[in-house]
Amino acid sequence: QQQVKQSPQSLIVQKGGISIINCAYENTAFDYFPWYQQFPGKGPALLIAIRPDVSEKKEGRFTISFNKSAKQFSLHIMDSQPGDSATYFCAARWTGANNLFFGTGTRLTVIP
Amino acid sequence: NAGVMQNPRHLVRRRGQEARLRCSPMKGHSHVYWYRQLPEEGLKFMVYLQKENIIDESGMPKERFSAEFPKEGPSILRIQQVVRGDSAAYFCASSPGQGGKTQYFGPGTRLLVL
Repeated sequence: QQQVKQSPQSLIVQKGGISIINCAYENTAFDYFPWYQQFPGKGPALLIAIRPDVSEKKEGRFTISFNKSAKQFSLHIMDSQPGDSATYFCAARWTGANNLFFGTGTRLTVIP
Repeated sequence: NAGVMQNPRHLVRRRGQEARLRCSPMKGHSHVYWYRQLPEEGLKFMVYLQKENIIDESGMPKERFSAEFPKEGPSILRIQQVVRGDSAAYFCASSPGQGGKTQYFGPGTRLLVL
């Protein structure tokens, strides 16, 4: 049973465009939502994270939008660059849990 | 400041052999998590350890898999009598405190079972 559902599975965006990756969850106990970036052959690296009491968080070109009532959150990459080509994972965790629950990943390709 | 270190990076085993995967957490971190990533899938939690203690092994298969984090030395994930279905990338993460909110991942060990 997938606790966090992620879409799309793959995404191709032109350089300079906006990349949008969506995630949805059911467990209302989740209180921490990070996004990880993974390059081939590497481990996931924390990109940006948000708590449910905030509707948006921005760090550079990366923005998380959070909709608590819809139980959805998304990652927006503005001015996408070829160097952003990677697999992106959303995740979630609830207070007291020891682990993160990951989405299935989105493979982003930014073409020049 | 070295990050999470894992070795070996690649491991090839034949069915029935044992696989030992090592993880050294970031300096100052005493909490270690192991995750498994099957091809084209997200990471799945396996086990959470603190020094000398297994705190949560709810994601570990009941047989053939074990983990430890001794007082001295790296954390070890051990898979006995490997089968082809064990082929995956195994990632270790560490965190400085309890709860695992901010987890820093190592580069992973890619296990291939022939």
